[in-house]
Amino acid sequence: QVQLVQPGSEVEQPGASLTIPCRTSGYDFPSYGIDWARQAPGQGLEWMGWISAYSGDTKYAQKFQGRLTLTTDTPTRTAYMELRSLRSDDTAIYYCLITDGRVPGLDFWGQGTQVTVSS
Amino acid sequence: DVVMTQSPLSLPVTLGQPASISCRSSQSLVHSDGNTYLNWFQQRPGQSPRRLIYKVSNRESGVPDRFSGSGSGTDFTLKISRVEAEDVGVYYCMQSTHWTNTFGGGTKVEIK
Repeated sequence: QVQLVQPGSEVEQPGASLTIPCRTSGYDFPSYGIDWARQAPGQGLEWMGWISAYSGDTKYAQKFQGRLTLTTDTPTRTAYMELRSLRSDDTAIYYCLITDGRVPGLDFWGQGTQVTVSS
Repeated sequence: DVVMTQSPLSLPVTLGQPASISCRSSQSLVHSDGNTYLNWFQQRPGQSPRRLIYKVSNRESGVPDRFSGSGSGTDFTLKISRVEAEDVGVYYCMQSTHWTNTFGGGTKVEIK
């Protein structure tokens, strides 16, 4: 079965960069793109971006343009999310997910990584 | 980016009673291929979200038929015909028609 595994938590200082891995299993890695979303404390879901695991093409929400980089490593079946110049309002749970509204059943989420940005 | 606006923010419901959530988009969600890629997600407390509905009205496998989606263009609705205790959580619409996806702000369903 499809699984997306993320680290449980990360703590970073303001101004630093954050990289979260998303290790996948259970499917042909290049077949599906991977989205990233986050959820600030007490807030709703916020879509951040998407990367094709086949071509490396990316899409980013306007809010994160220039500060967010998504990459994949096919041999290790891992997707990475790098967010730079961290601020306190980047404190959130970050999710990797596979979801495609065109395909029934194609919806899988990681368990989320709690990121705290604090000095 | 397309803006998705949900209402209400909070929805207290009596067990067994219906519930309805509205989602409006700032642009039409009709794709050039003729489909409308409007999804509904449920997030139970302490869990990752899961998709309930895709393409406006198609239920995912295993989703109870008390959940239904409807709408077109820019105006969409998720209905729960008879709310059960396990339906407590936050519901989000998400459009995937346009170049970048966007979520609505969420509607918290709770039992009165």
